[in-house]
Amino acid sequence: NAGVTQTPKFQVLKTGQSMTLQCAQDMNHNSMYWYRQDPGMGLRLIYYSASEGTTDKGEVPNGYNVSRLNKREFSLRLESAAPSQTSVYFCASRYRGIRNQPQHFGDGTRLSIL
Amino acid sequence: ELKVEQNPLFLSMQEGKNYTIYCNYSTTSDRLYWYRQDPGKSLESLFVLLSNGAVKQEGRLMASLDTKARLSTLHITAAVHDLSATYFCAVDPQGGSEKLVFGKGTKLTVNP
Repeated sequence: NAGVTQTPKFQVLKTGQSMTLQCAQDMNHNSMYWYRQDPGMGLRLIYYSASEGTTDKGEVPNGYNVSRLNKREFSLRLESAAPSQTSVYFCASRYRGIRNQPQHFGDGTRLSIL
Repeated sequence: ELKVEQNPLFLSMQEGKNYTIYCNYSTTSDRLYWYRQDPGKSLESLFVLLSNGAVKQEGRLMASLDTKARLSTLHITAAVHDLSATYFCAVDPQGGSEKLVFGKGTKLTVNP
């Protein structure tokens, strides 16, 4: 019953450092997503992957890259972290093709950039 | 471009009272979702609304969708402290896009 697993849960970086946030789901979902959540802003879509082998930009993709490694895993990379990327990052997944399926979310990664 | 507006953004209410959270969206859609988020936690799916006139109920929460008015409501009946959380609506743009758009959330505080 793991669902969507994100690692790490917390991370502190210095400006200019790089890191990769990992996400894996065990629900055989085909679509996966990365969001960031900032106070008063709701959730904003960074990138998504509608199926293995495809990725597309969301609302706020600048400064990020993603990789859909296989059906289970979808990673988010910050190449050169900036203080504006301090946020809580959520990964989500769902089965695309069934209308009544909501997205299932991981527990989030709390990232601080100093 | 799809825009989703929730109001109010902050809601403080007493136990036992009723209230409604509103979610308006700007373009055609026939799929709307409500989520709950407790402080420091993940998002939990509450309701999936798929068609005009859809109504779903779970305990003290009832959600409805009016696609013609581009409006969904989340009604809280006889609030209890355990309902304190932030509630988000999210809308699927029509046409199969994966770009779900979230409202900014309504932070609900239920006071004893």
